[in-house]
Amino acid sequence: GAVVSQHPSRVICKSGTSVKIECRSLDFQATTMFWYRQFPKQSLMLMATSNEGSKATYEQGVEKDKFLINHASLTLSTLTVTSAHPEDSSFYICSAEEPGLIEQYFGPGTRLTVT
Amino acid sequence: KNQVEQSPQSLIILEGKNCTLQCNYTVSPFSNLRWYKQDTGRGPVSLTIMTFSENTKSNGRYTATLDADTKQSSLHITASQLSDSASYICVVRRSNYQLIWGAGTKLIIKP
Repeated sequence: GAVVSQHPSRVICKSGTSVKIECRSLDFQATTMFWYRQFPKQSLMLMATSNEGSKATYEQGVEKDKFLINHASLTLSTLTVTSAHPEDSSFYICSAEEPGLIEQYFGPGTRLTVT
Repeated sequence: KNQVEQSPQSLIILEGKNCTLQCNYTVSPFSNLRWYKQDTGRGPVSLTIMTFSENTKSNGRYTATLDADTKQSSLHITASQLSDSASYICVVRRSNYQLIWGAGTKLIIKP
């Protein structure tokens, strides 16, 4: 199956700093990528849908100025958590869809810890 | 309201035993139903995707069923292995591509 990678796999940052997470589709072009966050013992929650070459669509309650998404190419989307706070500590997962197919492939996730 | 409910919330079984996880949904318009396996600290991995016309789909020791009339799905795991310990998530996709996520069933396989 198709492969989606994320980098870094885990990151620890200080409160007030910004952190960038990369999501790449390795063997296919993804016009649409999705960003999720997951708190312990909870299911994934969609944060935003990232479309190549256009602005991301954010879910209700997700601050677009805090979670900056850039889908600069058909294989790369980035999520930047700006001015991170301890409550932003979470597991962030991206996914990508192959055009024309119904399957959605998930990255391995990024564990963010804000101290 | 579009919802996906899974049961049980958690399940512990002995290695080698079979188990069945349940998923009930109230999602429309329905496009397809997916079962994912998520290991702790990892991203979800797809097990099966079923469309409206499919009743049963197997992937190795995993067999998913779908009853579109009653809006129920199940995931049956045969001859469980220690590596099956994970969360199993049922996800229903609407025709507008929106995914509705279940809360998952946490399965623990004990030796």
